Amino acid sequence: QQQVKQSPQSLIVQKGGIPIINCAYENTAFDYFPWYQQFPGKGPALLIAIRPDVSEKKEGRFTISFNKSAKQFSLHIMDSQPGDSATYFCAASMMASYDKVIFGPGTSLSVIP
Amino acid sequence: DVKVTQSSRYLVKRTGEKVFLECVQDMDHENMFWYRQDPGLGLRLIYFSYDVKMKEKGDIPEGYSVSREKKERFSLILESASTNQTSMYLCASSLPGYEQYFGPGTRLTVT
Repeated sequence: QQQVKQSPQSLIVQKGGIPIINCAYENTAFDYFPWYQQFPGKGPALLIAIRPDVSEKKEGRFTISFNKSAKQFSLHIMDSQPGDSATYFCAASMMASYDKVIFGPGTSLSVIP
Repeated sequence: DVKVTQSSRYLVKRTGEKVFLECVQDMDHENMFWYRQDPGLGLRLIYFSYDVKMKEKGDIPEGYSVSREKKERFSLILESASTNQTSMYLCASSLPGYEQYFGPGTRLTVT
């Protein structure tokens, strides 16, 4: 299965809250899991990425948690700000076809002041 | 900074018209991609090119073709536009094995 599932479809949090976006995959051959952030009127941009040999990766206020046995991974945004309001896509790819990235359906995040 | 530009931000075409979407990147990337983005479906790969004149079908190539005559330019062609091709089209480029850089997108409406 090449699909990447993502939830929730949309999310509203107060400033300072910790939104969590969850993703799941079936294909155990996936070995690279990037997250993309897309602001209105812009193309997606790489936010953070993880490989399955680690269970967690932090970059600033953004953290990816990875559960290889459950085939699930999630994005946490600490101390969320209105400027984090965007659409977030999780994705997966394989080393064998590294440049073919499978995207999840996206989560629209709104952080209200 | 990598720059990926797309020829139009908004485009309105009639059913049956031939449509050209152009993409140019300025970072000498080997790979170039065309995706369409629809609500609730994420980004779906239409075609991928890993070198000049080389192309591979993505997940949804039906109704589309591509052309890559120069390394920096990748064109998406809708031979006979249909209303179900109304969508946001995103171009991206990358070095092999590295992150993809996206353009701002072209919102195409077919009436």
